[in-house]
Amino acid sequence: QSALTQPASVSGSPGQSITISCTGTSSDVGGYNYVSWYQHYPGKAPKLIIHEVSNRPSGVSNRFSGSKSGNTASLTISGLQAEDEADYYCSSYRSGNTYVFGSGTKVTVL
Amino acid sequence: EVQLVESGGGLVQPGGSLRLSCAASGINFGNFWMSWVRQAPGMGLEWVANIKEDGSEKYYVDSVKGRFTISRDNAKNSLYLQVNSLRADDTAVYFCARVRRGGYFEYWGQGTLVTVSS
Repeated sequence: QSALTQPASVSGSPGQSITISCTGTSSDVGGYNYVSWYQHYPGKAPKLIIHEVSNRPSGVSNRFSGSKSGNTASLTISGLQAEDEADYYCSSYRSGNTYVFGSGTKVTVL
Repeated sequence: EVQLVESGGGLVQPGGSLRLSCAASGINFGNFWMSWVRQAPGMGLEWVANIKEDGSEKYYVDSVKGRFTISRDNAKNSLYLQVNSLRADDTAVYFCARVRRGGYFEYWGQGTLVTVSS
């Protein structure tokens, strides 16, 4: 049950846009529109920012957007802000009522 | 206000056991699947187990099958994880989370730390 593949780190300057990829297989990311994204500050509870590929929960900034193509999902953060510096994880449903998370991406605001 | 509060973590020797608890409020607990997710030191998140609304279905990641048991008490708005035969690689912060149809973890607790060491 290997993790989904994410880049270890992504960085950008304030105001720029960055994209984090999340690559799985046809058994998870490619097989279901059940990809979600989480923002995690160390020592805090993870926060849901995108669900079902591209849906933003109420209260989440519209600077966060999600998409999917084949076995790869993506999270884009536009207008990067200092407060966006955190760890980001994707997650996907897998067959058999199981789930898998991505390896995690550390976002640094330069 | 939604609250998920985990407890029960601690330092335990290899081979030992613990019972983790998650007290829920403000989330209509009995109507949703619940999960445990863990994060080992310096590592990413790992889904551990799921339980259906009525407790009739349970699913686990392969690495904990036969050692961990997820359960719930809807009358007490509480989720549990019995962790047995603990190994060093079970050392992690354990989070509980509410699962929504659409396969996502909507609300999370702050976590409880389990340290397995002699």
